[in-house]
Amino acid sequence: AQTVTQSQPEMSVQEAETVTLSCTYDTSESDYYLFWYKQPPSRQMILVIRQEAYKQQNATENRFSVNFQKAAKSFSLKISDSQLGDAAMYFCAYRSALSDMRFGAGTRLTVKP
Amino acid sequence: DTAVSQTPKYLVTQMGNDKSIKCEQNLGHDTMYWYKQDSKKFLKIMFSYNNKELIINETVPNRFSPKSPDKAHLNLHINSLELGDSAVYFCASSHSRNTGELFFGEGSRLTVL
Repeated sequence: AQTVTQSQPEMSVQEAETVTLSCTYDTSESDYYLFWYKQPPSRQMILVIRQEAYKQQNATENRFSVNFQKAAKSFSLKISDSQLGDAAMYFCAYRSALSDMRFGAGTRLTVKP
Repeated sequence: DTAVSQTPKYLVTQMGNDKSIKCEQNLGHDTMYWYKQDSKKFLKIMFSYNNKELIINETVPNRFSPKSPDKAHLNLHINSLELGDSAVYFCASSHSRNTGELFFGEGSRLTVL
């Protein structure tokens, strides 16, 4: 079964600085999707960014970008110019034709003013 | 308009009771899901439902049963509630099975006393 691992239960960053959240996954498939979701205290699950495995170019959404290393099965999220509103739980997720969406255990991000 | 809506948002009940959580999506999606988020924030899929095909996670007790009156609705019914059922339950939908992102409802926090 596909597994998603987030090795950082908690991270903190100073406002305006950059932080990188790590994610690795295990799969034998070649075609799949990867996602980062944000869950603020309101508990709403918000899609931050997505990456199709067949695309070599790393996805970018404003201050959020990923470093997708397919061979290493690594999918890290970089948040630039961190803002107080970025404080939340961040979940890495994997999905494919053979697998419903699976989530990592999450990383709690604290942003210090 | 809310894309994926769940009711109720909060539910407090006694052990042994039966309860239901309703979910509706107005996105025209083909597939709907129920996820359970436990106290440690871990998200686990319970069910996926697509074109009348129900896929059940084998770890879900049979006290849990999804009911779909039509493509836009997937309700969750829980019989004989137990303390361990206390969690946040998320409904989600996607355009098709196993591709693209999930759109989540706001979650329903169930507390069993």
